[in-house]
Amino acid sequence: DIVMNQSPDSLAVSLGQRATINCKSSQSLLSSFTNQNYLAWYQQKPGQPPKLLIYWASTRESGVPDRFSGSGSGTDFTLTISSLQAEDVAVYHCQQYYTSPLTFGGGTRVEIK
Amino acid sequence: QVQLVQSGAEVKKPGASVKVSCMPSGYIFTDYYIHWVRQAPGHGLEWMGLIDPRGGSTTYGRKFQGRVTMTRDTSASTVYMELSSLTSEDTAVYYCARDWTTRGRADWFDPWGQGTLVTVSS
Repeated sequence: DIVMNQSPDSLAVSLGQRATINCKSSQSLLSSFTNQNYLAWYQQKPGQPPKLLIYWASTRESGVPDRFSGSGSGTDFTLTISSLQAEDVAVYHCQQYYTSPLTFGGGTRVEIK
Repeated sequence: QVQLVQSGAEVKKPGASVKVSCMPSGYIFTDYYIHWVRQAPGHGLEWMGLIDPRGGSTTYGRKFQGRVTMTRDTSASTVYMELSSLTSEDTAVYYCARDWTTRGRADWFDPWGQGTLVTVSS
């Protein structure tokens, strides 16, 4: 199984500042056939189910604010919130869909400093 | 709008089975695969498997093979996930989630159901 490791486990960021979350996979998620990275990011607010933010490592889902961006390739990926808003307090999860079983990182909690 | 509505919370004894339902609405039921994902307290998300509502074919995660059964009732536009031989380790919130695409499988998910808490306790 592909193991997904997220860091940090939690971070506190001031309003308007940048938040950076890292996700590392135990094997490459880059397909030589499609030249795509098989990685998605989700946001989970307290008491709610996860919500899709990004797929193909950097494609923002429709309706997701452009302060959220994804980057990276191969085994190392990053989710960046460029200017943290109060409504961004949540746990963020990365997920690989390169191969079955689909696997998730352990999550990163983002709070306001 | 698209939504997935799940059945209510369950309390089960060790060794028992639980069956959770998921009723999508707002789209054609057979057009999208449905996945099941669980989240144990204080833990991350764990993918359990998926079902194709059109033909009923399933794919299960290796960890759950032999213990999970996913089915669908097209007349009721409902999918079900049954987990047997429950232990305390199965205490979790269980989510159904729609695959992103109608063209087979994308294997990322949106939207998700509201979740069903299953508590396993003697």
